[in-house]
Amino acid sequence: GDSVTQMEGPVTLSEEAFLTINCTYTATGYPSLFWYVQYPGEGLQLLLKATKADDKGSNKGFEATYRKETTSFHLEKGSVQVSDSAVYFCALHGSGGSNYKLTFGKGTLLTVNP
Amino acid sequence: NAGVTQTPKFQVLKTGQSMTLQCAQDMNHNSMYWYRQDPGMGLRLIYYSASEGTTDKGEVPNGYNVSRLNKREFSLRLESAAPSQTSVYFCASSGERTSTDTQYFGPGTRLTVL
Repeated sequence: GDSVTQMEGPVTLSEEAFLTINCTYTATGYPSLFWYVQYPGEGLQLLLKATKADDKGSNKGFEATYRKETTSFHLEKGSVQVSDSAVYFCALHGSGGSNYKLTFGKGTLLTVNP
Repeated sequence: NAGVTQTPKFQVLKTGQSMTLQCAQDMNHNSMYWYRQDPGMGLRLIYYSASEGTTDKGEVPNGYNVSRLNKREFSLRLESAAPSQTSVYFCASSGERTSTDTQYFGPGTRLTVL
């Protein structure tokens, strides 16, 4: 079945540091890939997505590129801020059948210190 | 535009008690979902409803029942709560039954079963 493996946390960075959170996946066909973010005490919200190979999703300075050859969707940001402190989830949405559920990674807690 | 709303925000139950978690969306979405979030586990799908009048089991349906009351509302019922059901529960909705569609999440219900 579908699965998502993402970098174990927690990750602690200083403000303005470069961020990478690795995500790899296993799925049949051509899944769509997502990064969701969960700020403290809140629900998940979509950060970015990519729906086909070589697509780049971007939002709020974050980027991720759908790499089918390496089955990866790594999240990057060039200069993190304290306000980026949150839990980040990589997820995929299968392309076939009637099951439209999202499959999530376990989440990576990011803490950014001033 | 409230998006996805959930009630209650917090609940404490004793083992064996029952309760219903309520979820409503005002985005005219067809599909709705219930997930649970446990530390180190990511989010796991309990039940989903692809359209009004239909419901299907997800990964972890045991101990739960759902009702898709109408297009807006999707409730989750615990008939006899157990400590293993202590978790944070999220409701989500999406507009289309496609793999590219974004799911929108509610703020969550934090449930403790003693």
